Amino acid sequence: EDQVTQSPEALRLQEGESSSLNCSYTVSGLRGLFWYRQDPGKGPEFLFTLYSAGEEKEKERLKATLTKKESFLHITAPKPEDSATYLCAVQPNSGYALNFGKGTSLLVTP
Amino acid sequence: GAVVSQHPSRVICKSGTSVKIECRSLDFQATTMFWYRQFPKQSLMLMATSNEGSKATYEQGVEKDKFLINHASLTLSTLTVTSAHPEDSSFYICSARGDRNFNYGYTFGSGTRLTVV
Repeated sequence: EDQVTQSPEALRLQEGESSSLNCSYTVSGLRGLFWYRQDPGKGPEFLFTLYSAGEEKEKERLKATLTKKESFLHITAPKPEDSATYLCAVQPNSGYALNFGKGTSLLVTP
Repeated sequence: GAVVSQHPSRVICKSGTSVKIECRSLDFQATTMFWYRQFPKQSLMLMATSNEGSKATYEQGVEKDKFLINHASLTLSTLTVTSAHPEDSSFYICSARGDRNFNYGYTFGSGTRLTVV
């Protein structure tokens, strides 16, 4: 059975304090791994898709990396507006639906 | 591009009534739409997958007679919660997959907060 585990559940950072979020996954053939940002009461907002081990993608202060077992979302010099829940999801080769982790709730304080 | 509009954003209904939630892809054709349910501080749980013109495929444990899904066109899918009860109160989110760039293939709506009283 496909599993996606995100850690930590919650993370509090000072503005400018860089850190990483982890997404460990077990899937029977990975078609893609997705990172989303979700603000309270809103739908997920697409950040990145990674397809193969070794792949990296960047967007502003965020950088996502992928290995065969896990993905990291690195946040460099975060700002308060980066506060949100970050969701990781995997799409197996067997279908189109995404399987989500529980997310990491990030709070960045000034 | 790749915008999905979900309506309403909030709805309060009485126990026993039905509620319809709409999900529209505004600038692309959604070959497949997904409906998720999210409880506070929990992950998005897939309820069903629908392809245009076909019957929806429901995940195990989801009652298809209670959660009616219609995907009559390439831009519109609806979820109707029938005979709603307080335990159906949740955050419902749709996602649309188009036939374009894979990155745009999983665009989410803004969600619907359903409260059954």
